[in-house]
Amino acid sequence: AQSVTQLGSHVSVSEGALVLLRCNYSSSVPPYLFWYVQYPNQGLQLLLKYTTGATLVKGINGFEAEFKKSETSFHLTKPSAHMSDAAEYFCAVSQYNFNKFYFGSGTKLNVKP
Amino acid sequence: EAGVAQSPRYKIIEKRQSVAFWCNPISGHATLYWYQQILGQGPKLLIQFQNNGVVDDSQLPKDRFSAERLKGVDSTLKIQPAKLEDSAVYLCASSYTGTSSSFVDEQYFGPGTRLTVT
Repeated sequence: AQSVTQLGSHVSVSEGALVLLRCNYSSSVPPYLFWYVQYPNQGLQLLLKYTTGATLVKGINGFEAEFKKSETSFHLTKPSAHMSDAAEYFCAVSQYNFNKFYFGSGTKLNVKP
Repeated sequence: EAGVAQSPRYKIIEKRQSVAFWCNPISGHATLYWYQQILGQGPKLLIQFQNNGVVDDSQLPKDRFSAERLKGVDSTLKIQPAKLEDSAVYLCASSYTGTSSSFVDEQYFGPGTRLTVT
């Protein structure tokens, strides 16, 4: 069985500060990992994904995430927060042969001026 | 490229009434997904279609929920009768491939339908 845990349902940072959103997963096989962003009243948009290869993955809008197998983590970071980053972020894990995604409960990011 | 389309965007019904949601995936995408997103939670997969066949409906409450994708393109999700706990956003997503693939495809999401059951 696969599952995703996102620590912190709400995270608040100041504009220009580091953004760190945590994601831990459990998977019986090598996972495929994703981060999605959801703006109010909109669907989910892919930020970045890890499938194989380089463990540091760069995505859109300056976000990146690092796959750490030993820690079963896939934390999302951005060096400098912008007001437009305020949204809800979801981590998801999948197995390659079913394309079935398991989502975490989400983290709402608030960016203070 | 047009995205995933869903309608209606909002729906308010009374409990025990029925409701239907429509989804048009991205052209050429073989796999279609319906998710339920309850406030404060992540999306939960209800049903997954590969072309017009069901791949996974293990989380679909089959006594009240039904879904179809007759021609392997558009899909409808129906709830009959609705309960208060069905209040949620219903998201449709699609991907180019799905099962029987050696890799995982990105899922593209529609804007969702917000259902309120009173």
